[in-house]
Amino acid sequence: DAKTTQPPSMDCAEGRAANLPCNHSTISGNEYVYWYRQIHSQGPQYIIHGLKNNETNEMASLIITEDRKSSTLILPHATLRDTAVYYCIVRVGLNAGNNRKLIWGLGTSLAVNP
Amino acid sequence: DVKVTQSSRYLVKRTGEKVFLECVQDMDHENMFWYRQDPGLGLRLIYFSYDVKMKEKGDIPEGYSVSREKKERFSLILESASTNQTSMYLCASSLFQGQYFGPGTRLTVT
Repeated sequence: DAKTTQPPSMDCAEGRAANLPCNHSTISGNEYVYWYRQIHSQGPQYIIHGLKNNETNEMASLIITEDRKSSTLILPHATLRDTAVYYCIVRVGLNAGNNRKLIWGLGTSLAVNP
Repeated sequence: DVKVTQSSRYLVKRTGEKVFLECVQDMDHENMFWYRQDPGLGLRLIYFSYDVKMKEKGDIPEGYSVSREKKERFSLILESASTNQTSMYLCASSLFQGQYFGPGTRLTVT
């Protein structure tokens, strides 16, 4: 699975958009980009995933560049409850054998400030 | 909503004790996972299971074993707990895409 690079920390003002970048320059054509977050003292929470098209759900938007070497998770109106560590992971989409595994980095610690 | 529950939020055990951590999911997911999380090291996969009675070693299986007798339940066993197994243990389940996590068990081995 391709490796990802994220900034260790970011700040965002409450009510503003939080844009969290992720580099995955060695991503393969069949690897998906996943985003999770972990609020302090809780288990990680799945947010969104995508292959090459931009995706949006009730939690966030995922923008993947045309060459797929990087992506951005957007929280459109950040709240204090969005303060968490955000993980970007790439993984082959097949649900078999070791492709079920995710390789976790250290993520980006996002602080949303009042 | 998917619900993944873990038997304890906090656990304190003595060195050499046998420890059982239980995980139950209610969404009929085929895949279940056990991770440990330590500061500066992130989440590391211990074992995973893709079907009843099936298991695969993750990245750090030494000192651990697992059991999956029923689809909804995945147990992590520390045969003889040691102080270096003090950690946060996280269980997850998945069907096809996203993994869904339990709240975690913070285990302290003294």
